[in-house]
Amino acid sequence: NAGVTQTPKFRVLKTGQSMTLLCAQDMNHEYMYWYRQDPGMGLRLIHYSVGEGTTAKGEVPDGYNVSRLKKQNFLLGLESAAPSQTSVYFCAVRGQGGQPQHFGDGTRLSIL
Amino acid sequence: AQSVTQLGSHVSVSEGALVLLRCNYSSSVPPYLFWYVQYPNQGLQLLLKYTTGATLVKGINGFEAEFKKSETSFHLTKPSAHMSDAAEYFCAVSDWGNYQLIWGAGTKLIIKP
Repeated sequence: NAGVTQTPKFRVLKTGQSMTLLCAQDMNHEYMYWYRQDPGMGLRLIHYSVGEGTTAKGEVPDGYNVSRLKKQNFLLGLESAAPSQTSVYFCAVRGQGGQPQHFGDGTRLSIL
Repeated sequence: AQSVTQLGSHVSVSEGALVLLRCNYSSSVPPYLFWYVQYPNQGLQLLLKYTTGATLVKGINGFEAEFKKSETSFHLTKPSAHMSDAAEYFCAVSDWGNYQLIWGAGTKLIIKP
């Protein structure tokens, strides 16, 4: 049981390039989340999804797009990467009610 | 809007001493509360959670937390610190619709030999 798997684990991009981060879960949970973590800033929610085919903006959505075409996958896209998007990105999943969030191991992204 | 405050961005204790990490939240109704731990270069791992029932919650690695509604607090404690406890700890509370978690800024726990 992998739980929550994020790919890739590391990536270096040049400014203006695009890429997609993949989050895959085998926990059959409805809710999925993308966060970014920066030193001294804690966790900030980018986008989230409460079910297949649905997405919603979080605290810092600008510059990112997401899609949830299948229940088990949540994709985070950067259309035109900027140095300010250098960060560690975490995906999390959660069941309904008072269930906790379960996190992936993160993707470390550097934009040069 | 709900908020979570963790007192102290860094807390330093000696090995074997009591660990106390503070978390206060703003909410007028009993929320769901969580503590997570993050070791260097890793993801976040659930330590413990409060949903309903007993207000003293036991978690992994000897940690526990007590939900105090009157104080809107959910402080994390461990009787005796171990070097392996060095990590960053995050407190979180569910939002009204329970879709999102509201996160504290985190507290780095430093263990002195």
